Amino acid sequence: GDSVTQMEGPVTLSEEAFLTINCTYTATGYPSLFWYVQYPGEGLQLLLKATKADDKGSNKGFEATYRKETTSFHLEKGSVQVSDSAVYFCALRQGGSEKLVFGKGMKLTVNP
Amino acid sequence: GAVVSQHPSWVICKSGTSVKIECRSLDFQATTMFWYRQFPKQSLMLMATSNEGSKATYEQGVEKDKFLINHASLTLSTLTVTSAHPEDSSFYICSASLRVAGGPLHFGNGTRLTVT
Repeated sequence: GDSVTQMEGPVTLSEEAFLTINCTYTATGYPSLFWYVQYPGEGLQLLLKATKADDKGSNKGFEATYRKETTSFHLEKGSVQVSDSAVYFCALRQGGSEKLVFGKGMKLTVNP
Repeated sequence: GAVVSQHPSWVICKSGTSVKIECRSLDFQATTMFWYRQFPKQSLMLMATSNEGSKATYEQGVEKDKFLINHASLTLSTLTVTSAHPEDSSFYICSASLRVAGGPLHFGNGTRLTVT
């Protein structure tokens, strides 16, 4: 079945550091790919998405590019802030389906 | 934007009792709601898909008689954990989908269940 593998944390960075969270997937066909973020005490929020190969999703300074050849959707941010401290989930969804398949999530802590 | 309200945010119950968790879409009609369970340091695992007016579809390995799901209206789905045991302690999250195929999913804030 479909699956998502993302790097495990937790990860602690200093403010303004560069962030990369790796995510790879296994799926049939051409799924849509997502990054969700869960801030402390809150539910999951969609951070960004990409629906086809070579698409780049971006939001709040975060970026991820849908790489079909490497089946990856790595999340990057050039300069993290304390407010970016959260748990980040990579996920996929097959076309026509409403089901999301999640990775394990990675907790990020950014220190001032 | 679309909001999904989940209640309660946390609950502690004794072993053998039942607990009901509500998931409401506050400003949109949700044709489909999903219930996830999140174990510590693990991913969100889909438990079941709840469609308004019909029986829920459970994922493999999820006991439907233990985790009762009711989707009585387009804005409300409930998950009842029956005869709870300590191993049912977990974080339960619901999500709701707008009436558009492939539409975005909106998540509730989750419910932390602790069974003593």
